Amino acid sequence: DQQVKQNSPSLSVQEGRISILNCDYTNSMFDYFLWYKKYPAEGPTFLISISSIKDKNEDGRFTVFLNKSAKHLSLHIVPSQPGDSAVYFCAASDMLSGNEKLTFGTGTRLTIIP
Amino acid sequence: DTAVSQTPKYLVTQMGNDKSIKCEQNLGHDTMYWYKQDSKKFLKIMFSYNNKELIINETVPNRFSPKSPDKAHLNLHINSLELGDSAVYFCASSATVASYEQYFGPGTRLTVT
Repeated sequence: DQQVKQNSPSLSVQEGRISILNCDYTNSMFDYFLWYKKYPAEGPTFLISISSIKDKNEDGRFTVFLNKSAKHLSLHIVPSQPGDSAVYFCAASDMLSGNEKLTFGTGTRLTIIP
Repeated sequence: DTAVSQTPKYLVTQMGNDKSIKCEQNLGHDTMYWYKQDSKKFLKIMFSYNNKELIINETVPNRFSPKSPDKAHLNLHINSLELGDSAVYFCASSATVASYEQYFGPGTRLTVT
């Protein structure tokens, strides 16, 4: 049962434009969400997170939006830069249950076109 | 300095063999994890240790045995390797068990022939 879904396996965006990566989840108990970025032959690196008590969190060029009613979150990168080309994983957890486990999506490969 | 390191980076072995993957973190973190990324790119948690104590054990075959000699190390030993064990295995750590910001190692690509 795939509780975190990233339905777009790949996305290409022109340099300087906005990249929007999407993530859907099915478990209504999830209350904390994270985005990780992964370069080839490296492990995922933490990018940004959001708690379910918020609907937006911003860090420089990266903004994560959370729509709890739709069970949907998105990562916006603006402006997109060539170094942003990587695979982006969405992850979720239910903190209140005391379950420390992160459930990951299958990733979206973002390619920034110079 | 590498924060979370794994050895080896690549491992090719035959079915039935026993192998180990080592993981070390120099971040002073209390909690360490093992993840498996299969051919479909699912990244799934296998085990989690907090201060050398097992806290998460996801329905993993008992051929997989994690060992944490101290809180900076979490090794993964696999007995009687099977073809389906072929995957990339990632080690990770976090400051505490309640911290969801995990730091990952570079991964170990295991190929069982």
